[in-house]
Amino acid sequence: DTGVSQNPRHKITKRGQNVTFRCDPISEHNRLYWYRQTLGQGPEFLTYFQNEAQLEKSRLLSDRFSAERPKGSFSTLEIQRTEQGDSAMYLCASSWDPDTQYFGPGTRLLVL
Amino acid sequence: DQQVKQNSPSLSVQEGRISILNCDYTNSMFDYFLWYKKYPAEGPTFLISISSIKDKNEDGRFTVFLNKSAKHLSLHIVPSQPGDSAVYFCAASAEGFQKLVFGTGTRLLVSP
Repeated sequence: DTGVSQNPRHKITKRGQNVTFRCDPISEHNRLYWYRQTLGQGPEFLTYFQNEAQLEKSRLLSDRFSAERPKGSFSTLEIQRTEQGDSAMYLCASSWDPDTQYFGPGTRLLVL
Repeated sequence: DQQVKQNSPSLSVQEGRISILNCDYTNSMFDYFLWYKKYPAEGPTFLISISSIKDKNEDGRFTVFLNKSAKHLSLHIVPSQPGDSAVYFCAASAEGFQKLVFGTGTRLLVSP
């Protein structure tokens, strides 16, 4: 296992379309996190899972965003009716202990 | 409200010299601090962390210092190498909370 993987690495879509991203965490990690990073900013927390349970959601996560982790392994993040303001790097991280999170390479989304 | 601040957007250092990156925080509930390094188009890579019960943690060329009374931490890199050139993010978390709160990053350039 070489670390957290994310697919796709890049996504270009038109405004109004739906997109889905996938994250595969480090295999023994039970916690999985989604963050969003925009230009010139640090990553901002979106949501967090422990096993399959979604335990916390940021107010940044509007109703158009939904995340799942159905079997406590991989996770998906879906954005419905994308807007240009959704353009960002979407980062996934996983951990076993609560604080040291290891990040994937990210999915860069561009909404035209 | 920026709870974690990195006031220097950039830092230039010569190879072999010391690099000192600074971070300030405002939330007194933060008790665990981490430094991540990020190359363009990649996710953040964990470097080093420190718990609030310590004032120093060292790992090879990297040392993190924590001054709780001043709500300040710093990352020292000695000696600096050109491969250290990247954006460095400070992050913090509070006991019982799973999310990391990031600063805006400092771009380090180490010149030969």
